Amino acid sequence: DTEVTQTPKHLVMGMTNKKSLKCEQHMGHRAMYWYKQKAKKPPELMFVYSYEKLSINESVPSRFSPECPNSSLLNLHLHALQPEDSALYLCASSQDSFGRDGEQYFGPGTRLTVT
Amino acid sequence: GENVEQHPSTLSVQEGDSAVIKCTYSDSASNYFPWYKQELGKRPQLIIDIRSNVGEKKDQRIAVTLNKTAKHFSLHITETQPEDSAVYFCAASRQAQKLVFGQGTRLTINP
Repeated sequence: DTEVTQTPKHLVMGMTNKKSLKCEQHMGHRAMYWYKQKAKKPPELMFVYSYEKLSINESVPSRFSPECPNSSLLNLHLHALQPEDSALYLCASSQDSFGRDGEQYFGPGTRLTVT
Repeated sequence: GENVEQHPSTLSVQEGDSAVIKCTYSDSASNYFPWYKQELGKRPQLIIDIRSNVGEKKDQRIAVTLNKTAKHFSLHITETQPEDSAVYFCAASRQAQKLVFGQGTRLTINP
C-alpha cells in the first residue's frame, strides 16, 4: 500500500463546531505532516510528527490541535475555526524526518469550508 | 528561515517544446530540493528531487539542475505533452524536515 488516505474529502462546519480530520498510511513511515493549502498557493507546513511525537509546530493557532495515536494515524482536531481557515488540508508522510528518505507522500486532502 | 522564489508564475508552451522553471533559495544549509506536480483538484505528487551533493538528475523527459554556489535550481521538461499541464512547485529544506515551497508555476501545454 503506497497511499496516504484522508477523511472526510469535504467538510463544512460552523464556527462553533468541533470536528476532526483523519489521515492514515500503511507504508511504515515514521514522519507525518499536516499542511494547509489555500487556493492558488503552495502548501504551508503546520505540524510535523516524528516517531509519534510532535517535532515541529509552525506557530499554528490553538484552535488546531494535532494528535498522533499511533505510527499509522494522524488526526487534526478543529474547534472554533474562523472563515479564513477555509482551505485544503493535506496530510503527508515520509520514511522519517531525518533526511534518509526525503520524499513526502501526500494524501488527497480534506476541503474544509468554515461558515 | 528559508525563502524560496519561483519563476515564472505562468508558462505556456507548444506541445513538443521544452519548459524550464527556475527557483532560488536563501538558506545555504538547505540540501534537499524536490519538485512537485499538482493537477487541478489533486494531491501534490513528487516528480523528481535532488540533493546538494549532485549537480544534475534526469528521469526520462524530466531533469533538475542545481547550482549550490548561486543557490538556484531548475526543472527542465522536454518534449512536453498535454498531460504535463499542471501547477509545479519547487521546494527546499534541510534534512527534508521542513519543506519550504515556492509560489508555484502554472504550466499550460498548447496542442
